[in-house]
Amino acid sequence: DTGVSQDPRHKITKRGQNVTFRCDPISEHNRLYWYRQTLGQGPEFLTYFQNEAQLEKSRLLSDRFSAERPKGSFSTLEIQRTEQGDSAMYLCASSGQSTTYNEQFFGPGTRLTVL
Amino acid sequence: SQQGEEDPQALSIQEGENATMNCSYKTSINNLQWYRQNSGRGLVHLILIRSNEREKHSGRLRVTLDTSKKSSSLLITASRAADTASYFCATFYGQNFVFGPGTRLSVLP
Repeated sequence: DTGVSQDPRHKITKRGQNVTFRCDPISEHNRLYWYRQTLGQGPEFLTYFQNEAQLEKSRLLSDRFSAERPKGSFSTLEIQRTEQGDSAMYLCASSGQSTTYNEQFFGPGTRLTVL
Repeated sequence: SQQGEEDPQALSIQEGENATMNCSYKTSINNLQWYRQNSGRGLVHLILIRSNEREKHSGRLRVTLDTSKKSSSLLITASRAADTASYFCATFYGQNFVFGPGTRLSVLP
């Protein structure tokens, strides 16, 4: 257990529905990252927060995706009008100014299945 | 395209043997990190090597870095069944990590 938690661990939804995932980082970490991982591939960067500010977004993050970190603590990732291609593992990671060279601590992930 | 590429894509060895995985990357880096992922779980940080380091050890892990060839290798000695996992190299590119596609290691008892 790295100290980063994600909820839910699994989500099955029908195409067209909206889903929201939550990530709780290690409390003293100011940086939070979201990644998407498909089977047999490495994680792909989606977006990054420093405190409550969203500093970078990947081109993978279409306008159906939105992420927030309102108080600089937990973060949510929402996918609107889900498509079958959104099926993947969504990983959250956090790091802090105290961690060496941006070592990231990953949560267990949320596995999304879109039917 | 991804910054890092691991090689081989899959590796199967017997318990007790050594496993070597390689990673190549494209741009200059400050450091390179290796992560392990057990099936269906999050990633766990294994070891970090800085650009001015050539070799680093941590327990049964040995990592080398050749910045002239833009490559790194991860050696796991005396492998155990519990080492069965996917192994990823990651480099910091811009504001985020870029991971390779990983090497899937199977250690057979």
